[in-house]
Amino acid sequence: AQTVTQSQPEMSVQEAETVTLSCTYDTSENNYYLFWYKQPPSRQMILVIRQEAYKQQNATENRFSVNFQKAAKSFSLKISDSQLGDTAMYFCAFLPNNAGNMLTFGGGTRLMVKP
Amino acid sequence: NAGVTQTPKFQVLKTGQSMTLQCAQDMNHEYMSWYRQDPGMGLRLIHYSVGAGITDQGEVPNGYNVSRSTTEDFPLRLLSAAPSQTSVYFCASKRGSNQPQHFGDGTRLSIL
Repeated sequence: AQTVTQSQPEMSVQEAETVTLSCTYDTSENNYYLFWYKQPPSRQMILVIRQEAYKQQNATENRFSVNFQKAAKSFSLKISDSQLGDTAMYFCAFLPNNAGNMLTFGGGTRLMVKP
Repeated sequence: NAGVTQTPKFQVLKTGQSMTLQCAQDMNHEYMSWYRQDPGMGLRLIHYSVGAGITDQGEVPNGYNVSRSTTEDFPLRLLSAAPSQTSVYFCASKRGSNQPQHFGDGTRLSIL
């Protein structure tokens, strides 16, 4: 079974600064997918970014980028130019290749962006 | 395009009551799932389906039943509600095995 660990329960950052959220995972799989989801106070689960393990290039989506270290089983999320609307819970999630619906989530990091 | 629609958004039950949480998607997705989210925790998979007529158990299936008679609908049934089932429930769907999930807005369920 896979496990996903987010070691930072809460973080804060000043508006316009950069913050990095950590995620590590444990698996014996070689092919898999990693995701970061954002959950604002509205409770919606919003996909932020997706990384395919067989791709060495780190995924980026506008102000969001990841640092994927496959050997270290690490998948951190960097948010640049933080905005007040980035305040939310952030969840890291792991999906083995062709595993259907067996998505495993970390416990989440609560991010507060301060004006 | 409504995406994934969950009803109701809030519900309060008494211990022992039964109810069905509804989930519908209009994206013609084959894969659908139910998750629960407890305070301070990530989402945990309850049941899932890879197509009409096919369902399977996830990580925390006890106390819940599902069925998938159509591609669009995937209801979750609580046969005899217990306080331990107080949680926020999310339904999700996706196009293929390795695709990201599309989530509904969640149902907050309280069992007294």
